[in-house]
Amino acid sequence: SYDLIQPSSLSVSPGQTARITCSGNKLGDKYVSWYQQRPGQSPLLVIYEDTVRPSGIPTRFSASNSGNTATLSISGTQAMDEADYYCQAWDNDVLIFGGGTKLTVL
Amino acid sequence: VQLVQSGAEVKKPGESLRISCKASGYTFTNKWIGWVRQMPGKGLEWMGMIYPYDSDTRYSPSFQGQVTISADKSLTTAYLQWNTLRASDTAIYYCGRVDQVPHDPFSVWGQGTRVTVSS
Repeated sequence: SYDLIQPSSLSVSPGQTARITCSGNKLGDKYVSWYQQRPGQSPLLVIYEDTVRPSGIPTRFSASNSGNTATLSISGTQAMDEADYYCQAWDNDVLIFGGGTKLTVL
Repeated sequence: VQLVQSGAEVKKPGESLRISCKASGYTFTNKWIGWVRQMPGKGLEWMGMIYPYDSDTRYSPSFQGQVTISADKSLTTAYLQWNTLRASDTAIYYCGRVDQVPHDPFSVWGQGTRVTVSS
């Protein structure tokens, strides 16, 4: 089975850039999406097709995907960005989620 | 576009359950509806999805045979069903819309249904 590996946690100071990684075998050959899940809320799609922001997602969210690693970047991180973040890809008709990264803004 | 899920459930082990996800604001038959499990304090797990137009259903290998996904086109509603619940089924279950399989992400999510299985 295909695995997507994320760091379990990341801390960043307000205003700094948070970079969350997602690793998988030849991940760059697949489209990666990213979801934000605030406590007690449903997940929210913030990036799809590696780099595309859905309407309404702030421009401080960006992403890349190459080789074996996809990266979600949040520039000028704000307190409201504190959440769990999940990467997601498709592998052989199976939808895969990464284990999630808890982003703490402090 | 909106997905509205049924309310929280408290059940006993061995009981059956069906939860629902009602879609509105788009053509229900043209998009996939998927289900995702989130166990307490844990991450997201894809369970499976259905294409309401022809009821084409795909299951994650981890959930194949454990649950049944169905849809009623006339009610624009998708369902997730268990015949025999276990305590390990305690989780929040989300439905979500996927435009194309196997390409697109979950673009719209329901609010989640909390299922508690306890004796």
